[in-house]
Amino acid sequence: EVQLVESGGGLVQPGGSLRLSCSASGFTFSGYALSWVRQAPGKGLEYVSAITSNGGSTHYADSVKGRFIISRDNSKNTLYLQMSSLRLEDTAVYYCVLATGTGWGQGTLVTVSS
Amino acid sequence: DAVMTQSPLSLPVTLGQPASISCRSSQSLVHSDGNTYLNWFQQRPGQSPRRLIYQVSNRDSGVPDRFSGSGSGTDFTLKISRVEAEVVGVYYCMQGTHWPRWTFGQGTKVEI
Repeated sequence: EVQLVESGGGLVQPGGSLRLSCSASGFTFSGYALSWVRQAPGKGLEYVSAITSNGGSTHYADSVKGRFIISRDNSKNTLYLQMSSLRLEDTAVYYCVLATGTGWGQGTLVTVSS
Repeated sequence: DAVMTQSPLSLPVTLGQPASISCRSSQSLVHSDGNTYLNWFQQRPGQSPRRLIYQVSNRDSGVPDRFSGSGSGTDFTLKISRVEAEVVGVYYCMQGTHWPRWTFGQGTKVEI
């Protein structure tokens, strides 16, 4: 069974940084592309970033380009999202998602507030 | 980017009655490989999204056959043949054709 467990969320001030992690199990991690999707409180789903299975290619939504960096460590079965220059509008639950769309983590809440 | 537009955004339903949600894309979702990567997700209150339907009409494992998907090109529909209490939640369509640029519909809130 696919399991994705996000961690690293919390309260951060505007302009601050945070690194999210997503620990995976139950599938061949190195064989799958992965994405981050976020959901602001009471709002819909928004694509944030994606990375190919070997980490060789990354992609970002325009709203986070230049501020967020996605990476992965296939030896540790872990996906990361380094977030910097955080803004109030980055407040959301961040989900780690298999590129197939079949596996979602439980999400980790990032709150950007002064 | 493909803009996904759902309707209605709020759907009051009656137990035992059918229901349907429409999803329209601003671009064709037919991939160069011939497949159409249109998915439907259910998000129950307090839970993560769960995929129900992939490639327009294929139900995921464990999804009741009361849920069905149809459509082609730019117009798609999720149908629930008989509403049961478990359907309460928000339903999203999502295009995966233009991966990695996933785009989601606004969500349809289903309430009994």
